[in-house]
Amino acid sequence: GENVEQHPSTLSVQEGDSAVIKCTYSDSASNYFPWYKQELGKGPQLIIDIRSNVGEKKDQRIAVTLNKTAKHFSLHITETQPEDSAVYFCAAVESGYSSASKIIFGSGTRLSIRP
Amino acid sequence: NAGVTQTPKFRVLKTGQSMTLLCAQDMNHEYMYWYRQDPGMGLRLIHYSVGEGTTAKGEVPDGYNVSRLKKQNFLLGLESAAPSQTSVYFCASRGSSSGGAFFGQGTRLTVV
Repeated sequence: GENVEQHPSTLSVQEGDSAVIKCTYSDSASNYFPWYKQELGKGPQLIIDIRSNVGEKKDQRIAVTLNKTAKHFSLHITETQPEDSAVYFCAAVESGYSSASKIIFGSGTRLSIRP
Repeated sequence: NAGVTQTPKFRVLKTGQSMTLLCAQDMNHEYMYWYRQDPGMGLRLIHYSVGEGTTAKGEVPDGYNVSRLKKQNFLLGLESAAPSQTSVYFCASRGSSSGGAFFGQGTRLTVV
């Protein structure tokens, strides 16, 4: 089955600097890669996603890149702000109406923004 | 819209007791999922459903059962709770035509 590895487990950056979180996946059939942000005491919330037919996607200060050949995808946050402090999860999904439509998550990255 | 609602939000069980966690979504989503979240281990998939009347095992299904009798509800059952099942449980749903999943607020379960 699918296995998603996420690094680093913790990340501390100065406010205004950039943060990068990296993930790798194992199943070449996975074709959708969402990123979630989880704040303390809340459920994960989707912040950005990318499909396998796209190499990069950007939404304001957040961008995601995908390298299908290497099975790598990354989250980039620029001009970090205090409200970016949270736990971030990457995930891999094999979409489609099949029994394999599972969402498998990485182990999470705790991002702290230093003032 | 309420989105995804989990009931209860907190629960303490004694070892061997049983309970059912309820997940309800009002978005007419096909897919529903149950995850558990433990410190340092991220979100691990327990069971999931791709439609009413269907369920499938995830990564860590042992000790849990599920049912999806109605499209909007996904129930997670613990027949005989064990301390190893102490965790925060999250339910999620997603539509068949979109990728993003919506999560509930979680149920914090402690088994003593």
